[in-house]
Amino acid sequence: DTEVTQTPKHLVMGMTNKKSLKCEQHMGHRAMYWYKQKAKKPPELMFVYSYEKLSINESVPSRFSPECPNSSLLNLHLHALQPEDSALYLCASSQQETGGGYEQYFGPGTRLTVT
Amino acid sequence: AQSVSQHNHHVILSEAASLELGCNYSYGGTVNLFWYVQYPGQHLQLLLKYFSGDPLVKGIKGFEAEFIKSKFSFNLRKPSVQWSDTAEYFCAVVPDTGNQFYFGTGTSLTVIP
Repeated sequence: DTEVTQTPKHLVMGMTNKKSLKCEQHMGHRAMYWYKQKAKKPPELMFVYSYEKLSINESVPSRFSPECPNSSLLNLHLHALQPEDSALYLCASSQQETGGGYEQYFGPGTRLTVT
Repeated sequence: AQSVSQHNHHVILSEAASLELGCNYSYGGTVNLFWYVQYPGQHLQLLLKYFSGDPLVKGIKGFEAEFIKSKFSFNLRKPSVQWSDTAEYFCAVVPDTGNQFYFGTGTSLTVIP
């Protein structure tokens, strides 16, 4: 199984709502990532979890709050978002975080629209 | 910070034409290199990767890439494109001692039947 799953596929939320994005992988990968992608742009790294601990936060606003309940799951909690946060949110995983050529496996993403 | 540049932002080709997409990076040390493809409405998929060894690597769907260390380049090639190759293509670089993917700006390829 080389699949990363993400739910929901689409999400529309108001600026005062609280919602969560979910990501799951069963490949035994120990590193998981959240990216934000705007149309026709490369993914922008938001967070990295390595062995269930947050190892990188790319200066992401606090209205985005990641959580890694266990080695297979990754959540992204959303609160008080702005319209400019509308984007495709991608989850990825890799065998390990460090270099050595570990490829990242990407999920299909959650298309988020903030109204 | 590392940078990865893809010179071709939008490429339009007819079917059966040959393809070469450029990727250059700025990092003096050992790197791992990747090409990802994103078909319309689909998730990012790995086309090919280079870690070490033969600098000419072959990937899925007839794609190949050549790592030229002296030029800091990892260009993607395909001898004959098909309409189904229409997609966004992203080059990514990971320093061997690092832990972060650095993506290029992407190239949008449109293949005309």
